[in-house]
Amino acid sequence: QKEVEQNSGPLSVPEGAIASLNCTYSDRGSQSFFWYRQYSGKSPELIMSIYSNGDKEDGRFTAQLNKASQYVSLLIRDSQPSDSATYLCAGGRNNFNKFYFGSGTKLNVKP
Amino acid sequence: EAGVAQSPRYKIIEKRQSVAFWCNPISGHATLYWYQQILGQGPKLLIQFQNNGVVDDSQLPKDRFSAERLKGVDSTLKIQPAKLEDSAVYLCASSSLAGDTDTQYFGPGTRLTVL
Repeated sequence: QKEVEQNSGPLSVPEGAIASLNCTYSDRGSQSFFWYRQYSGKSPELIMSIYSNGDKEDGRFTAQLNKASQYVSLLIRDSQPSDSATYLCAGGRNNFNKFYFGSGTKLNVKP
Repeated sequence: EAGVAQSPRYKIIEKRQSVAFWCNPISGHATLYWYQQILGQGPKLLIQFQNNGVVDDSQLPKDRFSAERLKGVDSTLKIQPAKLEDSAVYLCASSSLAGDTDTQYFGPGTRLTVL
């Protein structure tokens, strides 16, 4: 079992739709969770961090965390073609101990 | 604020050769990470430094990989000898570990091809 699991996709959504990306983790001691966006040939860039159960919103992005279900998700509202990228979920304990990335979900936003 | 610097950006070597990568973190960042990202996979942590001490190197193949951060600033990752399966992008990241604002900032990476 991988520490952080994601569906590899690709996930295809039309422009303007909501994209929903999901992630599960195995370590119940994990406390910090992150979503990164990675364009092809580029390094990961942070979109959102979330530490507490519930929702966290930042512009068009909403991260959701459910520690009981060991589940993290990212919603992208009003998806744009420029959102087309691979989205990496990552999680770990404090100070990035036991910190793991998922393999990423490829998102395609069609004009 | 200058970002994480890495060099070289690309490297092509033959198997059994040696190679070294350099990373300079964001100024003031105490923690430095080296990741290996194989095509189609997420980054895998190889080693984490806090200042010049190793915090986690559990996934570092120590028979061929070594890393150092002698003065708690820049770092070098070495592979000796390289194998075909070492072909990957090697990412360096740094963080300041300032409470809830913890964020890892990634460098541009070094793309290694082993022939």
